[in-house]
Amino acid sequence: SQQGEEDPQALSIQEGENATMNCSYKTSINNLQWYRQNSGRGLVHLILIRSNEREKHSGRLRVTLDTSKKSSSLLITASRAADTASYFCAPHNQGGKLIFGQGTELSVKP
Amino acid sequence: DTEVTQTPKHLVMGMTNKKSLKCEQHMGHRAMYWYKQKAKKPPELMFVYSYEKLSINESVPSRFSPECPNSSLLNLHLHALQPEDSALYLCASSHKISDRVILFQPQHFGDGTRLSIL
Repeated sequence: SQQGEEDPQALSIQEGENATMNCSYKTSINNLQWYRQNSGRGLVHLILIRSNEREKHSGRLRVTLDTSKKSSSLLITASRAADTASYFCAPHNQGGKLIFGQGTELSVKP
Repeated sequence: DTEVTQTPKHLVMGMTNKKSLKCEQHMGHRAMYWYKQKAKKPPELMFVYSYEKLSINESVPSRFSPECPNSSLLNLHLHALQPEDSALYLCASSHKISDRVILFQPQHFGDGTRLSIL
């Protein structure tokens, strides 16, 4: 399968701590995207990292990509209760399809 | 509020009913998508429209029939559904500069229609 495999499946932290989620995939990609989904809502795009990039930042988010290991990580710094959501990595394959990983369920306790 | 609007938000239907899900966006996006999402699972791609033409059908059963009447609207017609079709149906859209070029852009999602089949 081309989809991302995410680790951990669930993560519970205290407000103010950092949260790290990892994603691995199997085939070549054009880019890799991360999305957030709050309960009962649609997905929200967080960040896109291209295959020729190694690291990207957006506010409290930091994404890394290692194409040699076919892996990516999402770091959320100084987490807030509002960050509680499911996070999906989505490798974007050469055919143009976005294939979502199984997701990490993040719980940030106040 | 999302920029992709889906109606209805909830739908309950029997297995013999015919209903339609609607999706609308006014961002000028020329690629539109239908996804199916079961509880605690990732979204699964069903259909992709590019410039109002169906470009990808992920072997979806014929009881699901997509339609793209214009560049802003996407419908999903439902007929003779099964209980296992109960799920959250998500619509998304993204930029595409021409029908021939695959453009790897972020997708914008609606909040979905939660469908229950009795």
